[in-house]
Amino acid sequence: AQTVTQSQPEMSVQEAETVTLSCTYDTSESDYYLFWYKQPPSRQMILVIRQEAYKQQNATENRFSVNFQKAAKSFSLKISDSQLGDAAMYFCAYSSRGTYKYIFGTGTRLKVLA
Amino acid sequence: EAGVTQFPSHSVIEKGQTVTLRCDPISGHDNLYWYRRVMGKEIKFLLHFVKESKQDESGMPNNRFLAERTGGTYSTLKVQPAELEDSGVYFCASSQDVGHTDTQYFGPGTRLTVL
Repeated sequence: AQTVTQSQPEMSVQEAETVTLSCTYDTSESDYYLFWYKQPPSRQMILVIRQEAYKQQNATENRFSVNFQKAAKSFSLKISDSQLGDAAMYFCAYSSRGTYKYIFGTGTRLKVLA
Repeated sequence: EAGVTQFPSHSVIEKGQTVTLRCDPISGHDNLYWYRRVMGKEIKFLLHFVKESKQDESGMPNNRFLAERTGGTYSTLKVQPAELEDSGVYFCASSQDVGHTDTQYFGPGTRLTVL
């Protein structure tokens, strides 16, 4: 069975600094998708970034980028120039081709210090 | 475009009572999903609707949980009777049916507390 592990329950970063959130996963599939979702307090959970496993190039979205290491089954999220609005719970998720089911990690709470 | 909405945002009930959670997906999204996060743990899949049909309900914990999606629009998730272990945040998500590459859009969740 596939699993997703986020080993950092909580992280802090100074405003304008860079922070990296870790995510590892376990699967025997070769074709799958990985996601980072962000949930600000009491608000909608929104997609931050997604990565197709068949793509070697790491996905980027403005200040957000991933380090996708397929062989190591690692999918970390780097947030550059952190802003107060980045404070949220971040969830890493996995979905294999052929299923709509997402498998999530336990989440990392990110605090941004002014 | 309105996002996925869920009602209520919070619900506190006594053990043995019944609670109904509602989810309104993004207009035009045929796929609707329910997930649950028990405190401190991962978000777990409960079930998946395509329009009004249940495609996958493998994550439903037991027969105290009943999900419906009448007319293929909004969905309800009823818990009857509620137990202490049902406490958690219930998320709803929706997606268009454009193949597996489609992204799921999540609602803010309903926080259920069973006392």
